[in-house]
Amino acid sequence: DAEITQSPRHKITETGRQVTLACHQTWNHNNMFWYRQDLGHGLRLIHYSYGVQDTNKGEVSDGYSVSRSNTEDLPLTLESAASSQTSVYFCASSDQFFDTQYFGPGTRLTVL
Amino acid sequence: GQQLNQSPQSMFIQEGEDVSMNCTSSSIFNTWLWYKQDPGEGPVLLIALYKAGELTSNGRLTAQFGITRKDSFLNISASIPSDVGIYFCAGQPYGQNFVFGPGTRLSVLP
Repeated sequence: DAEITQSPRHKITETGRQVTLACHQTWNHNNMFWYRQDLGHGLRLIHYSYGVQDTNKGEVSDGYSVSRSNTEDLPLTLESAASSQTSVYFCASSDQFFDTQYFGPGTRLTVL
Repeated sequence: GQQLNQSPQSMFIQEGEDVSMNCTSSSIFNTWLWYKQDPGEGPVLLIALYKAGELTSNGRLTAQFGITRKDSFLNISASIPSDVGIYFCAGQPYGQNFVFGPGTRLSVLP
């Protein structure tokens, strides 16, 4: 069955370190998204991609970057982790722009 | 940016009761989605709505796309313990990405 996976599921890191969170989908979806989820907030869009080599900034993109070298993967990189980036990160994908998004299981990141 | 309001923020109900929650926006949306999130998991799609006035069911769940296109409603009938979780709405303005509400946390008491 097609699915979307994230790794690691849990990560603890130190302030200033570079961290990369992986997202892999086997739906063959064109669109992929990264969100962060914090208490009291809905899911907030960090970056998104509508296809290979395409990346776009979302609502809360500062301190994050993504690259899309193939259809299946959209890794999220925190260039220099900050305590404010402690959060749960979700990756999602959709086939067409107006289509529903399917979410991965999430990565809980703690920055000490 | 766009914002969605969900009401109520949290609710405690008895098993067997019906549940109603809603999502409102100041902007018009073309698509409404309802998701459920269990602890430690990603959101799972429950219902998708694409047309104003549309009423769609998925088992005990029924959702409606408001006529004004600025709101949506989710009802759960005869609640059971596994309904516990956080329910999120998401709306998509024309030509823009989805916006997510802050969620309604549902607790079901036996």
